[in-house]
Amino acid sequence: KQEVTQIPAALSVPEGENLVLNCSFTDSAIYNLQWFRQDPGKGLTSLLLIQSSQREQTSGRLNASLDKSSGRSTLYIAASQPGDSATYLCAVDNYGQNFVFGPGTRLSVLP
Amino acid sequence: DGGITQSPKYLFRKEGQNVTLSCEQNLNHDAMYWYRQDPGQGLRLIYYSQIVNDFQKGDIAEGYSVSREKKESFPLTVTSAQKNPTAFYLCASTQQNTEAFFGQGTRLTVV
Repeated sequence: KQEVTQIPAALSVPEGENLVLNCSFTDSAIYNLQWFRQDPGKGLTSLLLIQSSQREQTSGRLNASLDKSSGRSTLYIAASQPGDSATYLCAVDNYGQNFVFGPGTRLSVLP
Repeated sequence: DGGITQSPKYLFRKEGQNVTLSCEQNLNHDAMYWYRQDPGQGLRLIYYSQIVNDFQKGDIAEGYSVSREKKESFPLTVTSAQKNPTAFYLCASTQQNTEAFFGQGTRLTVV
């Protein structure tokens, strides 16, 4: 059964720092991996989708990498801002059957 | 604008009552999903549907029911058999191996 973990569980950094969030999964048989952002009491907003054949995706200050063979993905946030404060979730697509989510990393960026 | 809409945003249920949560999408996606989110926990899959008139149980389907009579609609009924229904419910849709989109969620409280 697919299991997804995320490290760290929480992170607090001063504004302007570059940071890395980690996601690990146990079964490499996936369609894709997606990173989401969730603000308190809100739904999930998609940040980046990496297909299983890709190594990385970039959007603005965000860069996500995927190493399927080792079951790892990282989300890199450059020059963090207070508006980046949220919970970040990774999810793997198990060949269209469902998405399996990690527990999330709660990020606080201090002004 | 294309998107996925959940209603209501807040819902209160009395003991022994069935309630239905609405999820509508105009993205022409085949697959739709229902997740439950509890404080401090990740998302857990309740039901999913990959095509009209077909749906599958997820990890925590007991006490819930769904229907998929139309491509754009995937309502979730929380029955009286669900003993601890207070949670945040999220609906999602996707097309095979593409980005998943989420609604803004329904917060259900038992009173």
